[in-house]
Amino acid sequence: NAGVTQTPKFQVLKTGQSMTLQCAQDMNHEYMSWYRQDPGMGLRLIHYSVGAGITDQGEVPNGYNVSRSTTEDFPLRLLSAAPSQTSVYFCASRQGHSSYEQYFGPGTRLTVT
Amino acid sequence: DQQVKQNSPSLSVQEGRISILNCDYTNSMFDYFLWYKKYPAEGPTFLISISSIKDKNEDGRFTVFLNKSAKHLSLHIVPSQPGDSAVYFCAAGDPGANNLFFGTGTRLTVIP
Repeated sequence: NAGVTQTPKFQVLKTGQSMTLQCAQDMNHEYMSWYRQDPGMGLRLIHYSVGAGITDQGEVPNGYNVSRSTTEDFPLRLLSAAPSQTSVYFCASRQGHSSYEQYFGPGTRLTVT
Repeated sequence: DQQVKQNSPSLSVQEGRISILNCDYTNSMFDYFLWYKKYPAEGPTFLISISSIKDKNEDGRFTVFLNKSAKHLSLHIVPSQPGDSAVYFCAAGDPGANNLFFGTGTRLTVIP
């Protein structure tokens, strides 16, 4: 099992560019989530999904889009990058409603100039 | 507003001594609590958890205590080892929101 994988590990964007952060899990987990980690802010939820075809907003959804066409994949799209989106992004998955134990990917460090 | 708070950004402890990391929460609907450990350039990894129906859970050197009336939980590491040096995040589960809420983290340094 690879667990939760994320690509790329590092990315630099210019303001206004768009890109997609990839996330995949091979544990057949129902729930998947995207977090961002900023100094002094902990991990903040961007978007999450409770199953294929179902997504919802978290605490800080503005500027991001998600979709969940398969159980395995949960890409995060930045529509028009802004310097405020400079952060480390983590994807996570968990079994479902009965389990809170989340498994995290290694993260993507994004810099927007 | 931060629903899960870790008020100590950092903690230094001598090897072999006890490390106590604290966490406070405000939402009485939280029914599950977890601790995650994070090394630099890696994702957080699950360490230990506790359900709201318990007040203590132990796993080897790690014990989590929950005081629901005070809305407070703590993680005890005994004895502390240099490999325990990491950032520790407290998290709480809200069944109504289908989400985990994380604290801001405490950086633990264990001094050899």
